[in-house]
Amino acid sequence: KAGVTQTPRYLIKTRGQQVTLSCSPISGHRSVSWYQQTPGQGLQFLFEYFSETQRNKGNFPGRFSGRQFSNSRSEMNVSTLELGDSALYLCASSLGGSYTGELFFGEGSRLTVL
Amino acid sequence: DQQVKQNSPSLSVQEGRISILNCDYTNSMFDYFLWYKKYPAEGPTFLISISSIKDKNEDGRFTVFLNKSAKHLSLHIVPSQPGDSAVYFCAASSGSGGTSYGKLTFGQGTILTVHP
Repeated sequence: KAGVTQTPRYLIKTRGQQVTLSCSPISGHRSVSWYQQTPGQGLQFLFEYFSETQRNKGNFPGRFSGRQFSNSRSEMNVSTLELGDSALYLCASSLGGSYTGELFFGEGSRLTVL
Repeated sequence: DQQVKQNSPSLSVQEGRISILNCDYTNSMFDYFLWYKKYPAEGPTFLISISSIKDKNEDGRFTVFLNKSAKHLSLHIVPSQPGDSAVYFCAASSGSGGTSYGKLTFGQGTILTVHP
């Protein structure tokens, strides 16, 4: 069974640009969550999607957005990039019940903003 | 406001000995707790979990203990092996009322090094 796949694995952008990251969940998983990992803040929850609907959102500015497609694949977008957006962005999938149990994480997309 | 805290940034143990990783939380709404292990350049991997209705859960060499009154949980690894060397994250969720949807609150992580 294939795991969670994230693309691209590494990317470099400059301030003011925007970026789109992609996540393919484990087959049969309908929930996709996104997390940001930085050395200072650790792993922080961005948002969660289920059946193409955002069900939950963390405390991030509106520059961070996402969407989910009918096949459960998800994308997140960061507009007007800032230096502080440099981080490892992790996607996680789960079956999608309302109760959060085990999340299966991908290897992440490492974003560097110059 | 860190709701989940891992106060030890690192821990070093000898192979074969016990590793004890600690985690404290402040949010009394948390009712489900998980431990994840992370190797460099990989995503976190689920290790073991515990519901707030229990005080202990075992899975092979890994045991998690929960002390609700102290808002404290710990992960015991016995015996420790060099392959256990990784970053360990404690995480918590509040599933009551279905409000957790995909959201886990993570601690900062503890780097475990097991020496041969």
